[in-house]
Amino acid sequence: SQTIHQWPATLVQPVGSPLSLECTVEGTSNPNLYWYRQAAGRGLQLLFYSVGIGQISSEVPQNLSASRPQDRQFILSSKKLLLSDSGFYLCAWTGTSSYNEQFFGPGTRLTVL
Amino acid sequence: GIQVEQSPPDLILQEGANSTLRCNFSDSVNNLQWFHQNPWGQLINLFYIPSGTKQNGRLSATTVATERYSLLYISSSQTTDSGVYFCAVGGYNYGQNFVFGPGTRLSVLP
Repeated sequence: SQTIHQWPATLVQPVGSPLSLECTVEGTSNPNLYWYRQAAGRGLQLLFYSVGIGQISSEVPQNLSASRPQDRQFILSSKKLLLSDSGFYLCAWTGTSSYNEQFFGPGTRLTVL
Repeated sequence: GIQVEQSPPDLILQEGANSTLRCNFSDSVNNLQWFHQNPWGQLINLFYIPSGTKQNGRLSATTVATERYSLLYISSSQTTDSGVYFCAVGGYNYGQNFVFGPGTRLSVLP
């Protein structure tokens, strides 16, 4: 069966520091991968998605970037964090057939101070 | 882009009551999912239902794609049903993108 991992689970970072969040999927090949952000008490906002290695689509302009160095690895980065980057970051995957149900990881809770 | 609305935004129930949550969307979709976000933030898949009706225990869902809405029914609610319920859609015209609704916050009181 497929599983999706995210780490770290929680992170507290100062403003201006770099960021690297990692997401890995097991048990499937060539998944579509997604990064979402959820502000406190709000819905989910799609940040990036990837349909393959090195292929990244950005949905929202910001100081974040994403990379997909391996088939089942998706990384969210920032060179300098802002206060507004605080939130709950969720990674998700789907298959690539017409049946593309999304499955989510446990999330990373980021607090920027 | 596609717009997704959910109603009601908040719902408070006594344990044992039934409820209906609604999701409206503005364009044709080929993917629709219902999720429950628990107090720890985990998104739990409830239904993958781009059309038709499905049931799983006390929960059921119906999507009428031609009229651009979906309904989630919760019967005999329990305190563990509390949390936020999200509808998410993907459309023929939107590639691999998914758009989430703002959610319905459900509180079930003992």
